[in-house]
Amino acid sequence: GDSVTQMEGPVTLSEEAFLTINCTYTATGYPSLFWYVQYPGEGLQLLLKATKADDKGSNKGFEATYRKETTSFHLEKGSVQVSDSAVYFCALMNTGNQFYFGTGTSLTVIP
Amino acid sequence: EADIYQTPRYLVIGTGKKITLECSQTMGHDKMYWYQQDPGMELHLIHYSYGVNSTEKGDLSSESTVSRIRTEHFPLTLESARPSHTSQYLCASSDGLAADTQYFGPGTRLTVL
Repeated sequence: GDSVTQMEGPVTLSEEAFLTINCTYTATGYPSLFWYVQYPGEGLQLLLKATKADDKGSNKGFEATYRKETTSFHLEKGSVQVSDSAVYFCALMNTGNQFYFGTGTSLTVIP
Repeated sequence: EADIYQTPRYLVIGTGKKITLECSQTMGHDKMYWYQQDPGMELHLIHYSYGVNSTEKGDLSSESTVSRIRTEHFPLTLESARPSHTSQYLCASSDGLAADTQYFGPGTRLTVL
């Protein structure tokens, strides 16, 4: 069945460090891919998305590129801030409009 | 910004009580979802609805029930709460179009003593 696998955390980085959170997926056809962010005590918010191969989603300095050949959608940011501390979820929506979420990766950025 | 609301935000209740978690959205979305989020953060789909009078069980078995009498409203009910129901409950909605996005409410953190 369809699924999402993302890098296990927790991840701790110093401010201004480079961030990569890996995400790979299994799905038939061409799913849409998403990154959601969850701040403490809140629900999930859409961070970025990509709907077809080679698309790059970007928002708030975060980027992720839809790589069909490696079935990946890794999240990157060049310089993290303390305010980026949160839990990040990779997700896919398959051609049947069903959503699958990864297990979440907790990021802590220290000053 | 998404307009999806959940009440209460926090609830502490005794075993055996009946509770209803409210979820409302003002975006006119047809699809709505309930997720249970465990302490390890993983999301589990417990119920979903594709429109009025449509409800389906999700991937994770749950003793809760849902109803969808109005498009904007998707309440979740536990007839008899138990400590094993202690969790974070997240409601979401989407517009059902291709490549649509799920919009999440702020969640209800339920503690059953």
